[in-house]
Amino acid sequence: QVQLQESGPGLVKPSETLSLTCTVSGGSISSDYWSWIRQPPGKGLEWIGYISYSGSTNYHPSLKSRVTISEDTSKNQFSLRLKSVTAADTAVYYCARLTIVGPTSDFDYWGQGTLVTVSS
Amino acid sequence: SSDLTQDPAVSVALGQTVRITCQGDSLRSYYASWYQQKPGQAPLLVIYNKNNRPSGIPDRFSGSSSGNTASLTITGAQAEDEADYYCNSRYNNGNHWLFGGGTKLTVL
Repeated sequence: QVQLQESGPGLVKPSETLSLTCTVSGGSISSDYWSWIRQPPGKGLEWIGYISYSGSTNYHPSLKSRVTISEDTSKNQFSLRLKSVTAADTAVYYCARLTIVGPTSDFDYWGQGTLVTVSS
Repeated sequence: SSDLTQDPAVSVALGQTVRITCQGDSLRSYYASWYQQKPGQAPLLVIYNKNNRPSGIPDRFSGSSSGNTASLTITGAQAEDEADYYCNSRYNNGNHWLFGGGTKLTVL
């Protein structure tokens, strides 16, 4: 059973960089795709991006200029960095496994989520 | 449009059948997956690959698709099915993913 756990600061100041790490157990980040997804309070889900088994990345067009997703295969972790944050980046951030098979794809395993608040 | 459109809210009487729909151009090319989210919890995959259920998801949940519309059907809705439901698929370019706005299901 694959399990994911997010970790990182729950409070970030405006204009600074949000940094989160997802630790994966029961599976290897050297296979599949590993994503970050966020959900502002009371709102819907937004895909942020992924890092693939080969280390390639893909980001949501609206966030591409501010986002970096990286990996540490030795720790079986992947990370999110979002720079120049504003209050609009306040959200619960989830990490999830993305499975892609031809025309079908799904986020089959999720972390519990971590709330990040952007405030001075 | 590249968006996925869902009705904001739907209600169903206990034990009855409800269909939640998701519309978007990308659904002509890519299958939708469906997620259930209860308050304070992470989303849970309930339907993938158009009409497949992960282990542990009751068989009252089913999926279908026609043209630009994907549907999640709950046959014999239970009180515990009250939740927000989100569809998900790829953008038309196949390189990015998007979620529908979510449907809040109330079981009366």
